[in-house]
Amino acid sequence: DTGVSQNPRHKITKRGQNVTFRCDPISEHNRLYWYRQTLGQGPEFLTYFQNEAQLEKSRLLSDRFSAERPKGSFSTLEIQRTEQGDSAMYLCASSPDTYNSPLHFGNGTRLTVT
Amino acid sequence: EDQVTQSPEALRLQEGESSSLNCSYTVSGLRGLFWYRQDPGKGPEFLFTLYSAGEEKEKERLKATLTKKESFLHITAPKPEDSATYLCAVRRGSWGKLQFGAGTQVVVTP
Repeated sequence: DTGVSQNPRHKITKRGQNVTFRCDPISEHNRLYWYRQTLGQGPEFLTYFQNEAQLEKSRLLSDRFSAERPKGSFSTLEIQRTEQGDSAMYLCASSPDTYNSPLHFGNGTRLTVT
Repeated sequence: EDQVTQSPEALRLQEGESSSLNCSYTVSGLRGLFWYRQDPGKGPEFLFTLYSAGEEKEKERLKATLTKKESFLHITAPKPEDSATYLCAVRRGSWGKLQFGAGTQVVVTP
């Protein structure tokens, strides 16, 4: 169990640029989640995959956000035309397909939009 | 609408000074209440899952309890390494989508 891996750890970008983050879940986990966390707040749900199928998206996920999980392995989260309000920690988590299993989080990607 | 409220927002303790953190929730059809620990710059680390009122779980100096409306995380004789933000989260469905509270930041001084 090597844990959930996220890259990059930090990303600084200028407003209007596109950014992409990658998440590698724990290998035997087929559920994958993206969350966003701002300073002083708990993580907020963005989207969820079961294998390669994206089963739910939060209303927080505007049209500028897109997530994929090709082949049910790693996942990417892309933000187009970044805005300063997108600055946050983006967390990925995974879990096995067993009843009520906890989420295992990666250490996140810290995005700063200048 | 589901709500998860944690109190206090911040807690400063002397080493050895026991205390409790509160997580109150309003959610229909609770399927699990989860406690996580988060260190600065890191992702949340899973601590406990509680399923039903009256349930208790323990791990080292931490003990989590659950009632129908709230959960408590008791920290007994804390050490400086217990300093972290403690998050609670609730789940309605069985598959995921945890809803988190804002957390309690705990600082334990020697």
